[in-house]
Amino acid sequence: AQKITQTQPGMFVQEKEAVTLDCTYDTSDPSYGLFWYKQPSSGEMIFLIYQGSYDQQNATEGRYSLNFQKARKSANLVISASQLGDSAMYFCAMRVLTSNTGKLIFGQGTTLQVKP
Amino acid sequence: GAGVSQSPSNKVTEKGKDVELRCDPISGHTALYWYRQSLGQGLEFLIYFQGNSAPDKSGLPSDRFSAERTGGSVSTLTIQRTQQEDSAVYLCASSLGASSYEQYFGPGTRLTVT
Repeated sequence: AQKITQTQPGMFVQEKEAVTLDCTYDTSDPSYGLFWYKQPSSGEMIFLIYQGSYDQQNATEGRYSLNFQKARKSANLVISASQLGDSAMYFCAMRVLTSNTGKLIFGQGTTLQVKP
Repeated sequence: GAGVSQSPSNKVTEKGKDVELRCDPISGHTALYWYRQSLGQGLEFLIYFQGNSAPDKSGLPSDRFSAERTGGSVSTLTIQRTQQEDSAVYLCASSLGASSYEQYFGPGTRLTVT
């Protein structure tokens, strides 16, 4: 069975600093994708970044980068130069790419608060 | 273009009543997903549609929950004989296909069962 674990219920970061949100995953399937979503207090789910299990390089999207360590089964999100607007809940998710469904398995989330 | 829309945005119902939640996916998206998010929790997969068929219903928590999709577009999630534990935000997402990795989420329906 697939599982995502986010061990940090809440995190604080000073504005303009970098922050790392932890995510570990468990799957026996060799072909999978890892995702990070942001959920502001408004409730919408905003896709941030994607990493495929066979991708050779860590994914980056603007201030977001994914620190993918396959042997450790970790996919941490790094946010550089934090902004007040980054305050939100962040979810790590996974899908198995060889299955007949694109369903996402989500972690419990980490609430990030950016301090001015 | 228009994103995924859901209605109603909020629904308060009495225990034992039936409710219907609606999802309008992005035009042209063949894959549609329903998720449930309980207060302060992560999202829990309910059901996946490809076109009008549902090859994965593994997340439906009980036979009180059902869903259908018509015309490869609009989907309705029905909860019969609602219970207080059904209170949650129900989120719908769509994607171009099951192989498309980006799912676009709607704003959700907040269901409260009193």
